[in-house]
Amino acid sequence: AQSVTQPDIHITVSEGASLELRCNYSYGATPYLFWYVQSPGQGLQLLLKYFSGDTLVQGIKGFEAEFKRSQSSFNLRKPSVHWSDAAEYFCAVGAKSGKSTFGDGTTLTVKP
Amino acid sequence: GAGVSQSPSNKVTEKGKDVELRCDPISGHTALYWYRQSLGQGLEFLIYFQGNSAPDKSGLPSDRFSAERTGGSVSTLTIQRTQQEDSAVYLCASSFPSMGKNEQFFGPGTRLTVL
Repeated sequence: AQSVTQPDIHITVSEGASLELRCNYSYGATPYLFWYVQSPGQGLQLLLKYFSGDTLVQGIKGFEAEFKRSQSSFNLRKPSVHWSDAAEYFCAVGAKSGKSTFGDGTTLTVKP
Repeated sequence: GAGVSQSPSNKVTEKGKDVELRCDPISGHTALYWYRQSLGQGLEFLIYFQGNSAPDKSGLPSDRFSAERTGGSVSTLTIQRTQQEDSAVYLCASSFPSMGKNEQFFGPGTRLTVL
């Protein structure tokens, strides 16, 4: 069975500081991996995805993530956080069939 | 339409009543998903439809919950005899996995409050 762990429930960073959100997955084959963002009162929006190929993927809003098969990880990074990045972030692992499993989310607070 | 739409956006009901939540997926998307998000919680998978295959109902929490997808498009999630613990935001998503595009596009959700 596939599963996703986001070890950090809540992270606080200062505006302009770098950010890394952790995601570990369990899946029996090559996974499809996703990061979604949910701003307050908004729906979920896809930030980036990994299907195959280059293990460093770029997404929207200046985010990137790196797939590390040896560590079963797909951590999300951003070099300089903006106040508008405050939101909840969800990592997901998906099967080729389409069904995905989501982590419990990490809430990001940005200090001015 | 341009995106996934859900109706109603908010629903307040009394305990014991039945409710129906509607989802209109992106045109052409073959897969449709329902999730539940309780306050401050992650996404709880409920049910998954893919094309003409039998739906994956493994996430439905009880037999009070059911869903159908008519004509491979619109889906309705029905909750019978609602309970206060059913209060949550119900999210619908669609995708086109047969084209290798497994990313899910989410609707804005229906906020259900059971009094």
